[in-house]
Amino acid sequence: KAGVTQTPRYLIKTRGQQVTLSCSPISGHRSVSWYQQTPGQGLQFLFEYFSETQRNKGNFPGRFSGRQFSNSRSEMNVSTLELGDSALYLCASSSSPRGNQETQYFGPGTRLLVL
Amino acid sequence: AQSVTQLGSHVSVSEGALVLLRCNYSSSVPPYLFWYVQYPNQGLQLLLKYTTGATLVKGINGFEAEFKKSETSFHLTKPSAHMSDAAEYFCAVSRTGGGNKLTFGTGTQLKVEL
Repeated sequence: KAGVTQTPRYLIKTRGQQVTLSCSPISGHRSVSWYQQTPGQGLQFLFEYFSETQRNKGNFPGRFSGRQFSNSRSEMNVSTLELGDSALYLCASSSSPRGNQETQYFGPGTRLLVL
Repeated sequence: AQSVTQLGSHVSVSEGALVLLRCNYSSSVPPYLFWYVQYPNQGLQLLLKYTTGATLVKGINGFEAEFKKSETSFHLTKPSAHMSDAAEYFCAVSRTGGGNKLTFGTGTQLKVEL
């Protein structure tokens, strides 16, 4: 099985722009979660989707949004980019929305640099 | 609310020596606990997890961890370090009903020296 794929792998944007990141989960997985990783704040949960519904949301401003499509692929969008949004954005997929039952598999991440 | 504390942002061991990475958690409900490893420019890989049952959990690459409720700890150990173990290790916690949301510790960078 192919792993979790994230596109693009690297991205450079300027302040004020918006960006869309894509995540394709492992085939058959219906749960997708997003995390932001920065040197200062570490790994922080953004949101989780299961069967096109947002099930969980982290403590991020409304500029951060996401969605999931019927094929389980997910996108996250960040509007009005700020310098502090520079980070590695990780996507994880699982076959179950119950965290104790199935392993979450992480993608390689999208590294976003905001100038 | 749940939280995880990893003691020691950097740990250095000699090849062949015991690896001990510390993790303490705080949770108001029975937690699920995880250890992940991250190699440079890669995502996270699950080493092991504790959900219920046996408190000594064995994972991949010779790692294991023991859930100690009385000490609220979930330390990661490996009897003999290998150069390939050099990476960053993250302890994480989730809870019943919390879905797949993970709360991570700040990570421990493991260095393995010859």
